[in-house]
Amino acid sequence: GNSVTQMEGPVTLSEEAFLTINCTYTATGYPSLFWYVQYPGEGLQLLLKATKADDKGSNKGFEATYRKETTSFHLEKGSVQVSDSAVYFCALRNSGGGADGLTFGKGTHLIIQP
Amino acid sequence: KAGVTQTPRYLIKTRGQQVTLSCSPISGHRSVSWYQQTPGQGLQFLFEYFSETQRNKGNFPGRFSGRQFSNSRSEMNVSTLELGDSALYLCASSLGRGALNEQFFGPGTRLTVL
Repeated sequence: GNSVTQMEGPVTLSEEAFLTINCTYTATGYPSLFWYVQYPGEGLQLLLKATKADDKGSNKGFEATYRKETTSFHLEKGSVQVSDSAVYFCALRNSGGGADGLTFGKGTHLIIQP
Repeated sequence: KAGVTQTPRYLIKTRGQQVTLSCSPISGHRSVSWYQQTPGQGLQFLFEYFSETQRNKGNFPGRFSGRQFSNSRSEMNVSTLELGDSALYLCASSLGRGALNEQFFGPGTRLTVL
C-alpha cells in the first residue's frame, strides 16, 4: 500500500534560515504529490503539488521537486519567516479518476524564532 | 466564495453514544472526503462521497458511516463511541474526483469522547 515518511520534528530554525523538510514515499503506480500546511486552530491548506516526475511545485517561496528515482518530495525554502511556523504534511494520492484518498505523513512541526 | 464549513466545531460525547458531524462543501464542489486526525495515527482517510454515493473507504470499522445529499452536503456518523474516537475530523471538498482535483479542507470538528 501507500505510505509517506517525513521527519516529525519539531524543527526549530532562526528567521531567514534555509529550510529543508524531507519526505519519501512508497506507492503503487504514479501518484501525485502534495505539501499541505496547517496553522494552529485551522484546517489544512494546500501549499504546493506536483503531478509527475521531475515536476517542481512552488508557492510562497516554498519549492519541492518530484523525484521518482529517489521516491522523494523534499520541501525547501530559502529564507523562512516567523509566519511560516506551522505543521507541514507531505501527502500523496494515486492518479486516476477512481483514486482513493490522500495518504499523509505524520507531519513536521516547524518553529521559526525571531 | 465561501470555504468548506463544518458543524459543530467542538463536541463532547460519552462512550457508547453516537454522533453526527456535518460538512458543507464549497459551492459547485461535488466530491466530499472525510479524514480523522489524531496525535498517534496522524491523518487518515475515512471515506469519499460523490454524487450521493460512497466511492472509496479507508480502513475504519463499520461504526463509521456517512452520506451525501443531493446538494453535496455530507454528514458522517460514528456509533457506539469509544475513547479512541477522540479526534479532529476534517472534511474536504473538490470539484470532481481524482488526484488532479484539489481538495479544500474545512476547519474540522473536534470530538472529545469521555
